[in-house]
Amino acid sequence: GAVVSQHPSWVICKSGTSVKIECRSLDFQATTMFWYRQFPKQSLMLMATSNEGSKATYEQGVEKDKFLINHASLTLSTLTVTSAHPEDSSFYICSARGGSGGVETQYFGPGTRLLVL
Amino acid sequence: GENVEQHPSTLSVQEGDSAVIKCTYSDSASNYFPWYKQELGKGPQLIIDIRSNVGEKKDQRIAVTLNKTAKHFSLHITETQPEDSAVYFCAASLYYNQGGKLIFGQGTELSVKP
Repeated sequence: GAVVSQHPSWVICKSGTSVKIECRSLDFQATTMFWYRQFPKQSLMLMATSNEGSKATYEQGVEKDKFLINHASLTLSTLTVTSAHPEDSSFYICSARGGSGGVETQYFGPGTRLLVL
Repeated sequence: GENVEQHPSTLSVQEGDSAVIKCTYSDSASNYFPWYKQELGKGPQLIIDIRSNVGEKKDQRIAVTLNKTAKHFSLHITETQPEDSAVYFCAASLYYNQGGKLIFGQGTELSVKP
């Protein structure tokens, strides 16, 4: 299957700092990228949908000024957690959707574990 | 909106046995149903998917069946191996190729005992 990379794989930061997470689709052009958040032993919670060159669409309850998303190209999306606090500690996973012939498939990155002290 | 229910939440089987995980969805217009496997500390990995114009799809030891009338779909793993142990998520999407979002089930933790 297609490859989605995510960097960094884990990050520890102090409260109040900002953290940027990069997501890349390595071998395909993604029509849409998604950012999810996952708490231990829970399902995937969609935070926002990102299309190249346009503003991200945030899910209800997700603060767009807190979680900044930039989709610079068809292969790169970034999530910046601004002024991170301990409650932002979580597993963040990006996902990219792409395909050909009208058949699209959604692939996930390996995730980024964020710990805010 | 769409809602997906997944059962069971945990499943323990002996190596070599079969495992079945079931999901139901609420909106009959849903047209895409992928299954993901997530190992501890990793991102979900697509293992098989099915679209609404197909009733069954198989890939080696893994198969998915779709019953559109009853609005449920199932994952079948045969000849289970310890490396099949993971959390499995089903998902459903309305108008997938028009940008519809994936709605995930709650997940099933599969444990395969050697």
